Amino acid sequence: AQKVTQAQTEISVVEKEDVTLDCVYETRDTTYYLFWYKQPPSGELVFLIRRNSFDEQNEISGRYSWNFQKSTSSFNFTITASQVVDSAVYFCALSEGGIFMDTGRRALTFGSGTRLQVQP
Amino acid sequence: DAGVTQSPTHLIKTRGQQVTLRCSPKSGHDTVSWYQQALGQGPQFIFQYYEEEERQRGNFPDRFSGHQFPNYSSELNVNALLLGDSALYLCASSPPFVPNTGELFFGEGSRLTVL
Repeated sequence: AQKVTQAQTEISVVEKEDVTLDCVYETRDTTYYLFWYKQPPSGELVFLIRRNSFDEQNEISGRYSWNFQKSTSSFNFTITASQVVDSAVYFCALSEGGIFMDTGRRALTFGSGTRLQVQP
Repeated sequence: DAGVTQSPTHLIKTRGQQVTLRCSPKSGHDTVSWYQQALGQGPQFIFQYYEEEERQRGNFPDRFSGHQFPNYSSELNVNALLLGDSALYLCASSPPFVPNTGELFFGEGSRLTVL
């Protein structure tokens, strides 16, 4: 069975600090997708990134970067120079069952989330 | 372009009652998935609808049922409510296979409190 573990329940940093959110996953499939979502207080989950199991290249988008390592089954998320607006709950998620067909019709398995508080 | 809309935003029910939650997907999306998010937890997959049929189901009892209408909107029904059903219920929509990046678009949820 698939599983996503986010061991960090809550992290508090001061603005401009760098912070890394950890994500470890378990799956028996060789093809799968990994995701990060942000959940602000409004409740809506906001998509941040998707990676497929064949692409281990790290990705950077502005202040955000992601490190995918299949050898350790980890997909960690780093925010550089954090800002107060980054305060939210962040979820890592996994979908199994192939990366070429019906991608948007795969159920996601979420971790329990990491609450990030950025203090001014 | 409206995103995913859900109603009601908040509601309070008592044990044993029944509830219906509604979701309108983002324009152009034909697939609707429902997730339950208990306080302090990650969302858990309930079920998914496309072409007006339930296509996948998570580990939820038959008290949880749904429906999809020809305009792609969807309802989630929960019968015989239990205290443990108190949660944020999230609806997510996704487009047909092509084009499809695997991204789900979520609504802001319906917060259900069972007393």
